[in-house]
Amino acid sequence: ETGVTQTPRHLVMGMTNKKSLKCEQHLGHNAMYWYKQSAKKPLELMFVYNFKEQTENNSVPSRFSPECPNSSHLFLHLHTLQPEDSALYLCASSQDTDNYGYTFGSGTRLTVV
Amino acid sequence: DAKTTQPNSMESNEEEPVHLPCNHSTISGTDYIHWYRQLPSQGPEYVIHGLTSNVNNRMASLAIAEDRKSSTLILHRATLRDAAVYYCILRAPGLYSGGSNYKLTFGKGTLLTVNP
Repeated sequence: ETGVTQTPRHLVMGMTNKKSLKCEQHLGHNAMYWYKQSAKKPLELMFVYNFKEQTENNSVPSRFSPECPNSSHLFLHLHTLQPEDSALYLCASSQDTDNYGYTFGSGTRLTVV
Repeated sequence: DAKTTQPNSMESNEEEPVHLPCNHSTISGTDYIHWYRQLPSQGPEYVIHGLTSNVNNRMASLAIAEDRKSSTLILHRATLRDAAVYYCILRAPGLYSGGSNYKLTFGKGTLLTVNP
């Protein structure tokens, strides 16, 4: 366990479904991130939250909707996804967005059918 | 973002030292050099970072060239558990240091294979 917990670990959803990914950390960190890792591609930063405020949206399609109710929790709401959205979705946290190391969760393996 | 260049793959034998190189010829004076690794089926894991001086921690050592255009991650005694993809990343100063581009941008990294 890294201190960043992601649930579920695996998710299969149809293109018309709505689902949510959850990320939780109790490390006292104030910044949280969503990354996407597609097969044989580098990790792509999707969203950044700093003190619950979204500070980065890396041109992510609106079918991905993040939510950060407090500094310990981060959600990624999914709706009407496409098969090409199948990937490993990774959550990370850090002390803040300054020069600290990131702590990553183990990810949610998402398959869109 | 300043770019880094790493070999696609490297191979090592168990209990031998491993030197993972990274070139970053366009590094700016305020960029930090970060290293992460990603084991199979896991998220990336922070390994070490530095600015100008060599750094040591329980996981590895980071040797930074005097001109900062290259660096080397050193695993002193490789184990089978060290088999992973290793990422060398340049990171600009964050918001609280007066910088604005704090993002951690991953490249393809180096796949390290450790032979028993």
